Order: sequence, then structure tokens, then C-alpha cells
Amino acid sequence: EPEVTQTPSHQVTQMGQEVILRCVPISNHLYFYWYRQILGQKVEFLVSFYNNEISEKSEIFDDQFSVERPDGSNFTLKIRSTKLEDSAMYFCASKLAAETQYFGPGTRLLVL
Amino acid sequence: AQTVTQSQPEMSVQEAETVTLSCTYDTSESNYYLFWYKQPPSRQMILVIRQEAYKQQNATENRFSVNFQKAAKSFSLKISDSQLGDTAMYFCAFMKLQGGSEKLVFGKGTKLTVNP
Repeated sequence: EPEVTQTPSHQVTQMGQEVILRCVPISNHLYFYWYRQILGQKVEFLVSFYNNEISEKSEIFDDQFSVERPDGSNFTLKIRSTKLEDSAMYFCASKLAAETQYFGPGTRLLVL
Repeated sequence: AQTVTQSQPEMSVQEAETVTLSCTYDTSESNYYLFWYKQPPSRQMILVIRQEAYKQQNATENRFSVNFQKAAKSFSLKISDSQLGDTAMYFCAFMKLQGGSEKLVFGKGTKLTVNP
């Protein structure tokens, strides 16, 4: 069964450094998402992406964040200058059309 | 903006028994979907069940079923014959239908422990 994959599974970085989180959505899906979950809290929407452009972004998704689909398979989230409060689990999700989003296993980001 | 409320931070149940997790939501929309996702200790988000708001019939998936009360904006999850592997965080989520890149709005979750 097709699944969403994410790399790396864990990332430790120093405050102020850039990180890129990678996702490979399910191959025929058209809509792509990033969510984050700070430890012990609920899952929060960051951004949605369709037809090579951002469809919607949340207040969290400020100028430090960017997304890209550089080729036909990868979908990346870049944080330009990480802050301590960016420490969280980051989930990628994808869907074909309406209805269900399928989530990847997440990347656990720790900013020191 | 839509909000999702899960009023039970933690619940526990004995193996083989039945448990119901509560979820209420607030929206002025008429076209939407509701979901329950499971997050085991591995923190993977796994879809449990989905309900389309336009359907009156409650969704079921094996041991999992929902009680969808549209007028009351309530969407509870019933787990029958609970198994140890059901131990996880359970998140209720709302999705407004808007013709494409619909986002999910999650509740804060309920931590369910199934005891042997």
C-alpha cells in the first residue's frame, strides 16, 4: 500500500541554523500539507500546497518558513533560521482530491 | 473559524470492554468531513474513521464506530472489544469542504489506555 515517507526521522540543530525537512507524498496525490505538533499539544496546520503554489498558510508559517516541490516526487519544508520554539514533530500529509489526508511518520526536530 | 473540542484529556478501559471518546465542534459550514486519527507512541498519525456530514448513517470500521449528531455538532468515537494495541492518543479533526486544499483542524486529543 502506498504511503507518505519523511526524512530524516530525527533532526537536531543549533538555533539559527537552516533545516530542510523532506517528504515524498503518495505518487498520484495532488494536495500536500505540513503540520506540526509541539510535544504534548495538538496538531497544527502550517501550510497547504497545490499546483506548485501555496494554497493556504497559517499564522505560524511566517517568513522563516518556505515550501517547495522541486521535482515530481519530493515536497520540502525549509526553516531558514531555527528558533527554540520550532522544536516539534513535523508531519507531511497528502491527498488525491477531497476527503482523506494521509500522514507521513513525522520528523522530530530539536533545536538547541 | 472552526474549533474542535475534546473534553476528555485521558481515559482508560479494560481490555475487551467498550469505550467512547467525545468530540464536539463548532462551525457554521454545512459541507464538511470529520475524522478520528490515532497516534500511538510512535507518533505516527493513523486514520481511524471518517464521516461525511451529508451522510446521516454513522460510519463504522470494524470495531470502531461513530455517533454523529449533526444538530448537536457532536462526533463521538466508540471502540468495541478494546485491545492493548488501541492504546494511543486519539485526535478528532474537522475539515471544511472548499474545493481543494482543505486543511484539518484538530482537537487537543484524548489519551486512551487499554489495561490488561
